[in-house]
Amino acid sequence: ETGVTQTPRHLVMGMTNKKSLKCEQHLGHNAMYWYKQSAKKPLELMFVYNFKEQTENNSVPSRFSPECPNSSHLFLHLHTLQPEDSALYLCASSRLDHRATNEKLFFGSGTQLSVL
Amino acid sequence: TQLLEQSPQFLSIQEGENLTVYCNSSSVFSSLQWYRQEPGEGPVLLVTVVTGGEVKKLKRLTFQFGDARKDSSLHITAAQPGDTGLYLCAGNNAGNMLTFGGGTRLMVKP
Repeated sequence: ETGVTQTPRHLVMGMTNKKSLKCEQHLGHNAMYWYKQSAKKPLELMFVYNFKEQTENNSVPSRFSPECPNSSHLFLHLHTLQPEDSALYLCASSRLDHRATNEKLFFGSGTQLSVL
Repeated sequence: TQLLEQSPQFLSIQEGENLTVYCNSSSVFSSLQWYRQEPGEGPVLLVTVVTGGEVKKLKRLTFQFGDARKDSSLHITAAQPGDTGLYLCAGNNAGNMLTFGGGTRLMVKP
């Protein structure tokens, strides 16, 4: 148990569906992240929220829409995805110090997404 | 774009053998982290190295940061089936932006 909980663990959706991934951290951290993990590719950073403010989106397609209502919760809203979006989506949290440097990332178990 | 190359990509060995995996870059990092990811789980941090030439040991695992802070290695002594997993290195150059390598997938057979 890493203190970062992701739901659902598995998701199968059609290209016209709308779904949301949820992440919750119980560690008192002040930064949260969405990563995409595909076969044969390094972990890709999608979104970063520092102190609830989005600071990085790395040119992610608009069919992925993040939401961070507070420092403990993070959502990823999915709409009209493509089959190539099938991957493991990992949420992580960390504590940033006053210089906004990272101690370490705590990852959730991920949501394995399949787009048909 | 800062790239981290990990080698080998795949490694299958017998229990009791020693192994070394590598993480290389042309970029300098202020620190470097190693994570292990088991099937169905997210990566878990093993160690952070900060100083060039630094060596850290975690039981049978030995981590080294290159003198120029561009590369790192992970050596496992007497590997066990419980060491099976995906080993990821991640470089930190500024703030909270980590660059991950592609990983080394290790299988240790009993």
